[in-house]
Amino acid sequence: QLQLQESGPGLVKPSETLSLTCTVSGASISTTNYFWGWTRQPPGKGLEWIATAYHGGSTYYSPSLESRVTISVDTSKNQFSLKLRSVTAADTAVYYCAKSLSTTFHPNWFDPWGQGVLVTVSS
Amino acid sequence: QSALTQPASVSGSPGQSITISCTGTSSDVGGYNYVSWYQQHPGKAPKLMIYDVSGRPSGISNRFSGSKSGNTASLIISGLQAEDEADYYCSSYRRTNTVIFGGGTKLTVL
Repeated sequence: QLQLQESGPGLVKPSETLSLTCTVSGASISTTNYFWGWTRQPPGKGLEWIATAYHGGSTYYSPSLESRVTISVDTSKNQFSLKLRSVTAADTAVYYCAKSLSTTFHPNWFDPWGQGVLVTVSS
Repeated sequence: QSALTQPASVSGSPGQSITISCTGTSSDVGGYNYVSWYQQHPGKAPKLMIYDVSGRPSGISNRFSGSKSGNTASLIISGLQAEDEADYYCSSYRRTNTVIFGGGTKLTVL
């Protein structure tokens, strides 16, 4: 079945760029109507959606993070990535990647999710 | 962007039914039938329980159901079981092509 696995540094210095990759197995990242997204969860807090992308090039971003975030899809590697620039301690969180499905280009729900990766922003 | 509004906590005894509300605006919950609900146990990734207001993914118990009225969506859990104790999050599509989560509700099974 479809599985997702996040990977990337667990520690990032303030003002630097956080880079994460999600490897998809069990399905092609280019499958029609499959979208790919990132959500994060600061320790002890709730979920915050970051971005969603389609293999065809469409990307959607949280208005609160849009100026610092880039999501991209690499069909050759069956992976998608997240870059968050100019990080601060407030960006410390567990970052999850997940698949969405929409036949109307209104991706909103996510299933399944990766196990998540804790990224700490600290010098 | 402001999160959807959920109660911080709800509780119930085994066998009872509980309802968790999720209030938004006409730009999200009230404007689209794209509300979903997630269950999250401590240290685990969220798990999709309900999609598109009342759809239930394969493998999810029919004790879980969803509904919506106006700008408020609801998750109903019937026949409460100990394993249902977890955090629950609602989520909604918001124009244009963004997603908003609720603040989360901690469910305690007494």
